[in-house]
Amino acid sequence: EVQVVESGGGLVQPGGSLSLSCAASGFIFSNFAMSWVRQAPGKGLEWVSAISNGGRTYYAESVRGRFSISRDNSKSTVLLQMNSLRAEDTATYYCAKESPYPSRGSSRLYYFDYWGRGALVTVSS
Amino acid sequence: VLTQSPGTLSLSPGERVTLSCRASQSVSSNSLAWYQQKPGQTPRLLIYGASIRATGIPDRFSGSGSGTDFTLTLSRLEPDDFAVYFCQHYGDSSWTFGPGTKVEIK
Repeated sequence: EVQVVESGGGLVQPGGSLSLSCAASGFIFSNFAMSWVRQAPGKGLEWVSAISNGGRTYYAESVRGRFSISRDNSKSTVLLQMNSLRAEDTATYYCAKESPYPSRGSSRLYYFDYWGRGALVTVSS
Repeated sequence: VLTQSPGTLSLSPGERVTLSCRASQSVSSNSLAWYQQKPGQTPRLLIYGASIRATGIPDRFSGSGSGTDFTLTLSRLEPDDFAVYFCQHYGDSSWTFGPGTKVEIK
């Protein structure tokens, strides 16, 4: 059974830092890209960052330069280091497994098939 | 940019509902997916590749469309279907979600 479990949320002051962790199981972790998606209270979904199976990283413009994503394939974990946090970063942060890379000759279909329950990050003084 | 309409729909169980997702420029169907989210729950993948139902999704859910206009259709609303529905697109190494359509009980 595929499982994705986030940890590390909490209350942090503006300008502070926080690290989120995502533990995955039930699939060959090193074969898949992973993403973080956030949802501010009562709002929609916003993609934050992604990391390919090989470690290439991608960021939304809203967090580039402040957040850093990394992964440890030996531990099946993804980390999101968040620095210089702002009130507008307050949200539930979901870790999500991305769709598989395609076989040779096929095109990739893009979707998130498994999501964690989320970790709440509150940025407030 | 993805636009979803309407923002909220008030419907009764048994009704047919069509939700719209419009992209600001033509996108590949391979990159278009739909999710359902109920209050306090994690988003659930419904449709990917614009029209392929995800594992375990009932056949009353269907997706269609191409280019800039995509549709999620629920043939007969059941009580469990009242939720928010998001469309999603991938392009230029980033992911985008629509603002969502809330389907509420009339």
